[in-house]
Amino acid sequence: QKEVEQNSGPLSVPEGAIASLNCTYSDRVSQSFFWYRQYSGKSPELIMSIYSNGDKEDGRFTAQLNKASQYVSLLIRDSQPSDSATYLCADQYSSASKIIFGSGTRLSIRP
Amino acid sequence: IAGITQAPTSQILAAGRRMTLRCTQDMRHNAMYWYRQDLGLGLRLIHYSNTAGTTGKGEVPDGYSVSRANTDDFPLTLASAVPSQTSVYFCASSVNSGGYEQYFGPGTRLTVT
Repeated sequence: QKEVEQNSGPLSVPEGAIASLNCTYSDRVSQSFFWYRQYSGKSPELIMSIYSNGDKEDGRFTAQLNKASQYVSLLIRDSQPSDSATYLCADQYSSASKIIFGSGTRLSIRP
Repeated sequence: IAGITQAPTSQILAAGRRMTLRCTQDMRHNAMYWYRQDLGLGLRLIHYSNTAGTTGKGEVPDGYSVSRANTDDFPLTLASAVPSQTSVYFCASSVNSGGYEQYFGPGTRLTVT
């Protein structure tokens, strides 16, 4: 069974600090990785996708991928209260056209 | 309007009734997906379609059926609803299957009593 694991949280971070969200995956041939943000009662919204080892930056968000360690993370710099949400990690393994989602990490930014 | 629309927004349904959840996208995406989201279980794939005219089973397909007559529409049918199908249902699409970013509709909250 291919799995994506996340700490469910809640992760509490002070406003202005860096929030670090982590995800591990079990399938060594996974090729594509995604981070989604989901506000309570809303649908998942794509934040970042990453396909190669290393860092990918987009504004305040940085995704980090380490395929050797089967680890992907999301860093949020200068955290804002509006960043409070559940963050879902997902990976798409090359043998299928489907994406597997983690159960999400709840992030709370405290003023 | 660009994106994915779902209908209804919410529904209360008696057990044993038939129900079709509608999903339409206007992005000309080839691949479409249905997920259910339950507290503590995350998003689970029910059915998917890589292109119009084809469908496939996901992780939790039992009790559900889909069709893909054209590119834009991907309805999900519950033939005889049961209380365990109470959930939030999300439709999603991507340009193609296989590693492409998926975009989600607003969801349908279904309660089966």
